[in-house]
Amino acid sequence: NAGVTQTPKFQVLKTGQSMTLQCAQDMNHEYMSWYRQDPGMGLRLIHYSVGAGITDQGEVPNGYNVSRSTTEDFPLRLLSAAPSQTSVYFCASSYANSGANVLTFGAGSRLTVL
Amino acid sequence: GNSVTQMEGPVTLSEEAFLTINCTYTATGYPSLFWYVQYPGEGLQLLLKATKADDKGSNKGFEATYRKETTSFHLEKGSVQVSDSAVYFCALSVPTGANSKLTFGKGITLSVRP
Repeated sequence: NAGVTQTPKFQVLKTGQSMTLQCAQDMNHEYMSWYRQDPGMGLRLIHYSVGAGITDQGEVPNGYNVSRSTTEDFPLRLLSAAPSQTSVYFCASSYANSGANVLTFGAGSRLTVL
Repeated sequence: GNSVTQMEGPVTLSEEAFLTINCTYTATGYPSLFWYVQYPGEGLQLLLKATKADDKGSNKGFEATYRKETTSFHLEKGSVQVSDSAVYFCALSVPTGANSKLTFGKGITLSVRP
């Protein structure tokens, strides 16, 4: 089925470990983004990309890196995990646009940092 | 800057009750407005949207009207069902070239009792 695929669904890390959350979409969307969801905070934008080779910071980028080598993939890297990064992470994509386009979300990745 | 304010939750209703979830916004420019819904264990999905003043978005019995004069986009449903139990997010997007950065409210949890 077409859509946004995130892996892994669950991950437990120790403080200081690194990992990559994977995100892939098969809808040929130009725009991809990463959000984190925390209780009482809604969704906050971490990083986004408007096309291959182009990335930019969102509202809460510290501690995260991204790259966009292909249209389909947009991995999120945690270089040295911290307990404050315990959260549910969502990848979302859409066509490039006017701002009225609808985001398609993945099912989420739940990360726990001990 | 842009912001979205949702009423405090959670909200618990009996089946067939009337639902109103308040949402107000602050935006620079002329935003598009959205309601997203997150069912348990899933990612967010679009419920409805409106792109200009006085537009009414509707889907699955839910409605919301874009009120520029009161900067509001309240969500309503005349008769809720148990299957409507979910987290509801109000969001806005202001056109900024090739970006689709959504600003989300904090979300509100709706529980519907049989």
